Amino acid sequence: KAGVTQTPRYLIKTRGQQVTLSCSPISGHRSVSWYQQTPGQGLQFLFEYFSETQRNKGNFPGRFSGRQFSNSRSEMNVSTLELGDSALYLCASSPKTGRAYEQYFGPGTRLTVT
Amino acid sequence: QKEVEQDPGPLSVPEGAIVSLNCTYSNSAFQYFMWYRQYSRKGPELLMYTYSSGNKEDGRFTAQVDKSSKYISLFIRDSQPSDSATYLCAMSAEGAGSYQLTFGKGTKLSVIP
Repeated sequence: KAGVTQTPRYLIKTRGQQVTLSCSPISGHRSVSWYQQTPGQGLQFLFEYFSETQRNKGNFPGRFSGRQFSNSRSEMNVSTLELGDSALYLCASSPKTGRAYEQYFGPGTRLTVT
Repeated sequence: QKEVEQDPGPLSVPEGAIVSLNCTYSNSAFQYFMWYRQYSRKGPELLMYTYSSGNKEDGRFTAQVDKSSKYISLFIRDSQPSDSATYLCAMSAEGAGSYQLTFGKGTKLSVIP
């Protein structure tokens, strides 16, 4: 089975711009979660989507948003980028919602904001 | 106090050594305990998970959970250079809290040939 894929793998943006990241889950997985990883804060939960609905959200500002499509693929959007948004953004999929212990991660998108 | 504490290391051991990695936590609602391995410039890879207290073994890896002490461990036997990576502990609750993982910051391990 193919794993979680994320595109693009690397991205450089300027402060104030917006960015969209994409995630394709493992075939058959319907829950997609997003995490931000930085050296200072480690891995932090952003939000989870299941059946095209945002089910849960972490402690991030409204500039961070996402959506999920009927084929379970998900996108994450960050508007009005700030320098502090530079991070590795990780997508994880699991078969169902409420099963964080079965999350499998993609390789991540490394975002650099200049 | 962070919910999950993990010594960042770095930890350097000779090949063949037994490695012990640990995390402590404060949230008594946590019921699932995971260990992930992350190689440089890669996403975290799930090694194993344990539900509630007890031990779980998978090859050279053994996970232990002591809920009374809020302390979890991962032991790696006969460590290999290919085990050199950052090891992350992660936890989740049941029910309403079961949708997200709370991570430690990771311990960087180097196994020297």
